[in-house]
Amino acid sequence: IQLTQSPSSLSASVGDRVTITCRASQGISSYLAWYQQKPGKAPKLLIYAASTLQSGVPSRFSGSGSGTDFTLTISSLQPEDFATYYCQQLNSYSYTFGQGTKLEIK
Amino acid sequence: EVQLVQSGAEVKKPGESLRISCKGSGYSFTSYWISWVRQMPGKGLEWMGRIDPSDSYTNYSPSFQGHVTISADKSISTAYLQWSSLKASDTAMYYCARLWGDGDPDAFDIWGQGTMVTVSS
Repeated sequence: IQLTQSPSSLSASVGDRVTITCRASQGISSYLAWYQQKPGKAPKLLIYAASTLQSGVPSRFSGSGSGTDFTLTISSLQPEDFATYYCQQLNSYSYTFGQGTKLEIK
Repeated sequence: EVQLVQSGAEVKKPGESLRISCKGSGYSFTSYWISWVRQMPGKGLEWMGRIDPSDSYTNYSPSFQGHVTISADKSISTAYLQWSSLKASDTAMYYCARLWGDGDPDAFDIWGQGTMVTVSS
C-alpha cells in the first residue's frame, strides 16, 4: 500500500489554519496515524485511527477521513508546530509511511 | 515511565557486522510488538519490520527482507536489529517503536531516541 502526502512542503504563518492530505493506493479503513517530527528528534504520535487525538496532544490538531483519503488539520498554527508531518497506514502489516510534509514558517 | 532506550551511535566500515539494541521499560515488554524504522539523512521514515517479543515471530518489509535481522530477548526486554555485512547505503538513523492498539494495530505510540549508524571506509 502506497501513501501519497500533499503538499510535500508548505509555508504558513502563526495563527493560520493548515491542512495536509494523505491518499492511500487502496482502502485502509481507518487504520491511519499521523506523526510530527522535529529536527534531530524521534517522531511523535499525534492522531491514530484516522481521527482520535493521542493523549496530551493539543486540540488544535484534528484528523479525518476513511478508506483512501485522509486529512490532518491544524486549526491555528503555533510556533512549536513547525515540523515535518508523516501519515502511516496500519491496515496491512507492511506499515508504510507517507513521504512527509515539511511545514515551514512564512 | 514507559520508554524505549536505544544503544549509542556506531561508526563502522563496509563489510562489518553490527547489532543495535532497543530496551523497553515501564510496561510488559512481551505484550506489544516492536518495529524498526529507518531514516536516511534528510529523508523520510521507512518501516523495516516488526517482532513479537513474546515468541520472536517477525515480519519484514520486502525492501529489507534478507538485508537485516530482527530479534529479541524477552528475558531482558530488549529487541535487536542486526546486519551481517554493512554497506555505505546503510548509513541512517534507526528508530525502534512500540506498536500499540487494542486488538487491531493503531499506531507507534512510544519511540526510542534513535541510533545513528554511519558506514564509511
